[in-house]
Amino acid sequence: QVQLQESGPGLVKPSETLSLTCTVSGYSISSGYYWGWIRQPPGKGLEWIGSIYHSGSTYYNPSLKSRVTISVDTSKNQFSLKLSSVTAADTAVYYCARDLRVRALRYFDYWGQGTLVTVSS
Amino acid sequence: QSVLTQPPSASGTPGQRVTISCSGSSSNIGSNTVNWYQQLPGTAPKLLIYSNNQRPSGVPDRFSGSKSGTSASLAISGLQSEDEAEYYCATWDDSLNGYVFGTGTKVTVL
Repeated sequence: QVQLQESGPGLVKPSETLSLTCTVSGYSISSGYYWGWIRQPPGKGLEWIGSIYHSGSTYYNPSLKSRVTISVDTSKNQFSLKLSSVTAADTAVYYCARDLRVRALRYFDYWGQGTLVTVSS
Repeated sequence: QSVLTQPPSASGTPGQRVTISCSGSSSNIGSNTVNWYQQLPGTAPKLLIYSNNQRPSGVPDRFSGSKSGTSASLAISGLQSEDEAEYYCATWDDSLNGYVFGTGTKVTVL
């Protein structure tokens, strides 16, 4: 069974960089698939942030692209998110998920439990 | 704001059928497959329907999806109390070059 677990600071100061890591178990990232990040501000809807292939190829939400970096460490079976110059608007629950992209199919089939990141001084 | 529009709420009594709509455009629903996610209170979203009308293993056949043109629908038949949740449609948008989620619909079982 594929499992994902987010980890990282729960509190980040404004203008600083938010950093999160997703550890995958039950599946080797090197075997394939894309791996993505999605966030959800308190009481609001879901927003896709970006995804990365095991080879390191990335694609990002255009609205966040200038501030986002997603990387992968296949030796640790982890992938990470960095979001720079954060503001209170970046306060959200951040989820990592497996991003299945096969021909015309694109969906997130396995999700982590999510981690709340609050941006505040 | 999202490019996929859903009604904010829907409700029904146990056993009833509830339908949720998802309205998009030619660049998203009109040219890509639609997925639906169920988010129970305080939990992570769960894939409910993929490729317009396919159910992952373990999802009851009470849940069904359909797509026509630039709109999609999720139907829940035989509504149960455990179906109380937020439901999101989602798909790829060719113009935005990104994955987009709907605005979400909260289903209440009366």
